[in-house]
Amino acid sequence: EPEVTQTPSHQVTQMGQEVILRCVPISNHLYFYWYRQILGQKVEFLVSFYNNEISEKSEIFDDQFSVERPDGSNFTLKIRSTKLEDSAMYFCASSEAPPRGSLSGASDTQYFGPGTRLTVL
Amino acid sequence: DQQVKQNSPSLSVQEGRISILNCDYTNSMFDYFLWYKKYPAEGPTFLISISSIKDKNEDGRFTVFLNKSAKHLSLHIVPSQPGDSAVYFCAASVRDDKIIFGKGTRLHILP
Repeated sequence: EPEVTQTPSHQVTQMGQEVILRCVPISNHLYFYWYRQILGQKVEFLVSFYNNEISEKSEIFDDQFSVERPDGSNFTLKIRSTKLEDSAMYFCASSEAPPRGSLSGASDTQYFGPGTRLTVL
Repeated sequence: DQQVKQNSPSLSVQEGRISILNCDYTNSMFDYFLWYKKYPAEGPTFLISISSIKDKNEDGRFTVFLNKSAKHLSLHIVPSQPGDSAVYFCAASVRDDKIIFGKGTRLHILP
């Protein structure tokens, strides 16, 4: 069964450093998402991406964050200057279709990767 | 602002019995609700969903009930199995592509 993969599984970085979290969505999916979960808290939406541009972003997704689809398979989240409070699990997700907007019958279910645990020291 | 609330952080159920996970929401604009299951060291896995035009959706052992007037939904798992032990997230969305998650309920299935 196809799955979303993420690398690395764990990233440790110093405060102020840049990190890039990588995701390989399911190959025929067109919609991509990043979520994060701070330890003990709920999963929070960060950003959605379609057709090489951001569709929507949350207030968490400030100027320190950026996303990119550098080639046909990878989807990356970059944090330019990490802060202690960026420590969290970051989940990538992908879907075939936008939520309930597909007329083709393609699935809008978002499939999640295993996550990258980011620790900022 | 907690738009999706799961008030029980954990729940223990005997194997073979029914597990009922509850969720409340505050935003009346939500029109799509989902349940995700999460094992340790894995990402959330989609389980079942329901549109706001329905009040029940069933898939095998899993049934989701939606009570719009009470802004409440529940997930029933029957019969509960050991592999059902996981964290269950209730989630909701409006007519856009972000999902708002609850904090999760940890379900323990007891032998």
